[in-house]
Amino acid sequence: GEDVEQSLFLSVREGDSSVINCTYTDSSSTYLYWYKQEPGAGLQLLTYIFSNMDMKQDQRLTVLLNKKDKHLSLRIADTQTGDSAIYFCAETYNNDMRFGAGTRLTVKP
Amino acid sequence: EAQVTQNPRYLITVTGKKLTVTCSQNMNHEYMSWYRQDPGLGLRQIYYSMNVEVTDKGDVPEGYKVSRKEKRNFPLILESPSPNQTSLYFCASSPAGGIHEQFFGPGTRLTVL
Repeated sequence: GEDVEQSLFLSVREGDSSVINCTYTDSSSTYLYWYKQEPGAGLQLLTYIFSNMDMKQDQRLTVLLNKKDKHLSLRIADTQTGDSAIYFCAETYNNDMRFGAGTRLTVKP
Repeated sequence: EAQVTQNPRYLITVTGKKLTVTCSQNMNHEYMSWYRQDPGLGLRQIYYSMNVEVTDKGDVPEGYKVSRKEKRNFPLILESPSPNQTSLYFCASSPAGGIHEQFFGPGTRLTVL
């Protein structure tokens, strides 16, 4: 497909793990990103992964990359209410950055 | 504090009335860009600039203009706004080499009546 695709909603209980999935478009993308957007705020870069890596871990965040399937995922361990936000995956494409539509993560106490 | 600032943060205007949204960064970044965010569509790039006096169209440039006369500023100009330009606009900047690790401004919510 032409678009970066994500499911629109995810709801988890506090303390559980969250997994947000993304399918990107360009197998030659150099970097793949996860951004977080809290209500009324701009986008904050959470983490990124270079395309020659399979996995990257950063504290509670784990990024998995499957280049063959062009699939990217973000796992948040021990999800907290402060993690409630919209999460965007993005790929670099020439001098553009293509974003998915965003996954709204809701964390219930 | 390293940041990207946008002004205004909120704007309501009428069809056809020219407006400018300013964007400024204090990180000496070469690359700057403008996005619009619409529900269910994510962010789409409007224009980008690799450096001073170098600008290029993104995915949705129609109805917009930009200029890059100085490194720190990258204003977005709507010569004749229309209701379909009602959106949330973000400016972003990144260091030399392109769009890696973009820093985003807080956003400008524009309503065109």
